[in-house]
Amino acid sequence: GAGVSQTPSNKVTEKGKYVELRCDPISGHTALYWYRQSLGQGPEFLIYFQGTGAADDSGLPNDRFFAVRPEGSVSTLKIQRTERGDSAVYLCASRTGGTGELFFGEGSRLTVL
Amino acid sequence: LAKTTQPISMDSYEGQEVNITCSHNNIATNDYITWYQQFPSQGPRFIIQGYKTKVTNEVASLFIPADRKSSTLSLPRVSLSDTAVYYCLVGDSYGQNFVFGPGTRLSVLP
Repeated sequence: GAGVSQTPSNKVTEKGKYVELRCDPISGHTALYWYRQSLGQGPEFLIYFQGTGAADDSGLPNDRFFAVRPEGSVSTLKIQRTERGDSAVYLCASRTGGTGELFFGEGSRLTVL
Repeated sequence: LAKTTQPISMDSYEGQEVNITCSHNNIATNDYITWYQQFPSQGPRFIIQGYKTKVTNEVASLFIPADRKSSTLSLPRVSLSDTAVYYCLVGDSYGQNFVFGPGTRLSVLP
């Protein structure tokens, strides 16, 4: 597609469940970022991939959060044992190398009941 | 990573020029300055990027003084549709965890 695609757009789950959020970046973009945004706050960095490897995962809040990008394109953010505090919009962005701008998807809104 | 400081909110009226200033006192030599715009229920969208002096595109201008410790985003003749949150980011060209601050919430009034 022309832009960054994120699925699902909305996800409602119960506390303790496992959730996967998918990001399909712009074709050819080597860098992929995950952010989390709570209401009224700026996006909070979670993890950054360069190709298949996580170049920086310092923003992942704890070991319940994990992300993969096995073929250097699509990425999946995985959240285990969800908690109510995980409720937020999860944003994915991609970019080329160099001074390329970040292109964001529309986000996946996660609600943990 | 260079940290940025912006006003939390600003109000303006339609047709006015709006200037939003961002402070980044510990900007590094390789860092670029990038501004993003975010509407409710959407991801941020790139507005403009610069390294020094002045950059202009079809929607905005970016002014960066010689010391690069601050930058000013200028939106000419704003309209109601410019109501959004504006973020200033600082980072180098080879990818890192670009850090978003709380941004500046611009409200354009009729």
